[in-house]
Amino acid sequence: DAGVIQSPRHEVTEMGQEVTLRCKPISGHDYLFWYRQTMMRGLELLIYFNNNVPIDDSGMPEDRFSAKMPNASFSTLKIQPSEPRDSAVYFCASSWRLAATDTQYFGPGTRLTVL
Amino acid sequence: RKEVEQDPGPFNVPEGATVAFNCTYSNSASQSFFWYRQDCRKEPKLLMSVYSSGNEDGRFTAQLNRASQYISLLIRDSKLSDSATYLCVVNSPGGNTGKLIFGQGTTLQVKP
Repeated sequence: DAGVIQSPRHEVTEMGQEVTLRCKPISGHDYLFWYRQTMMRGLELLIYFNNNVPIDDSGMPEDRFSAKMPNASFSTLKIQPSEPRDSAVYFCASSWRLAATDTQYFGPGTRLTVL
Repeated sequence: RKEVEQDPGPFNVPEGATVAFNCTYSNSASQSFFWYRQDCRKEPKLLMSVYSSGNEDGRFTAQLNRASQYISLLIRDSKLSDSATYLCVVNSPGGNTGKLIFGQGTTLQVKP
């Protein structure tokens, strides 16, 4: 299995621009998670989906952030407009179930820099 | 108070040393506990789950003290390849048991 795939791996953009991050979960996994990691705040859960439906978006920082999962094999996280404080590494993860005993598998991350 | 707290380190130890990391969590209703490992500029990966009775996986031993809300990870006979950040992870209590809360991580540097 290819694991969780994310693109792009690096993104540098200017403040005010729209940024779209992409994720392909592991085939057969019903849960998809978006995380953000910064030095200050560590790894934070932004939103997660079950069978393509958003379940908990309480971690999404503000209205500039939106996430979609149009099908079982693809999800996007969009930031519009982007701001310098959005600079972080964004990870996508997937798991078979939401049971705490199930491992979450992380993608390689997208390193976002907003100038 | 943070939900999951760890000493950030760094811990600098020589090869072959034994090193222990500690972690405390704030919500006594959490039921599941893990240690993840994250190499520099890489994604987190599950190292091991932590069970109430304590558990061992080769050179790694994890322990849980529910009364004190305390989790530990012991690494024996440290290898250079153990150098990484170790994340203490607790599940969010309540209905969403698979929702995870990550500590800030403890950095380990094993030196020759």
